[in-house]
Amino acid sequence: DTTVKQNPRYKLARVGKPVNLICSQTMNHDTMYWYQKKPNQAPKLLLFYYDKILNREADTFEKFQSSRPNNSFCSLYIGSAGLEYSAMYLCASSWARGTEVFFGKGTRLTVV
Amino acid sequence: AQSVTQPDARVTVSEGASLQLRCKYSYSGTPYLFWYVQYPRQGLQLLLKYYSGDPVVQGVNGFEAEFIKSNSSFHLRKASVHWSDSAVYFCAVSACAQGLTFGLGTRVSVFP
Repeated sequence: DTTVKQNPRYKLARVGKPVNLICSQTMNHDTMYWYQKKPNQAPKLLLFYYDKILNREADTFEKFQSSRPNNSFCSLYIGSAGLEYSAMYLCASSWARGTEVFFGKGTRLTVV
Repeated sequence: AQSVTQPDARVTVSEGASLQLRCKYSYSGTPYLFWYVQYPRQGLQLLLKYYSGDPVVQGVNGFEAEFIKSNSSFHLRKASVHWSDSAVYFCAVSACAQGLTFGLGTRVSVFP
């Protein structure tokens, strides 16, 4: 089973409210990623976990938090959603950086 | 830092015709190169990848790509497209410890 599962598929949030997105994988991959995808833009890497070590991109450092309580699960947390957070959020996993990366179907977040 | 350019935002082809999608990358070292496809309401699926060796790599569903180092290109090809190939295609490059960097994608529409 090479699936990455994301819940929920669609999420509606209010401006200023927190948002928590969930991802799981059963492949025992050591690395899990979160990407943000907006229409007509390339998927943008937000952060990734290598084992228990969190790496966040410099330009999104303060906007997103994440946790990885065990090898299979990873969450993406937005403390206070703004309209600019409306996007598709893609979770992915792999054995090691630079090898094949498996993507989930994404969570479409709409902030109103 | 690495970057990927996909110069064609949209490509329209007739069913049965050949297809070529262009991709150029910028990276100072030896890149890992990928093509992903996104069908409607789906996550990203890997079509093919290049790490080393034969510069022509075969992927799923009859797709292939050729790595030309002198031109920093990794163009995707298919000899005869089917209507089900209508999707958005993303070229991506990976450098050690930095995750995937994607191009903006090319939307392919196949008409019967």
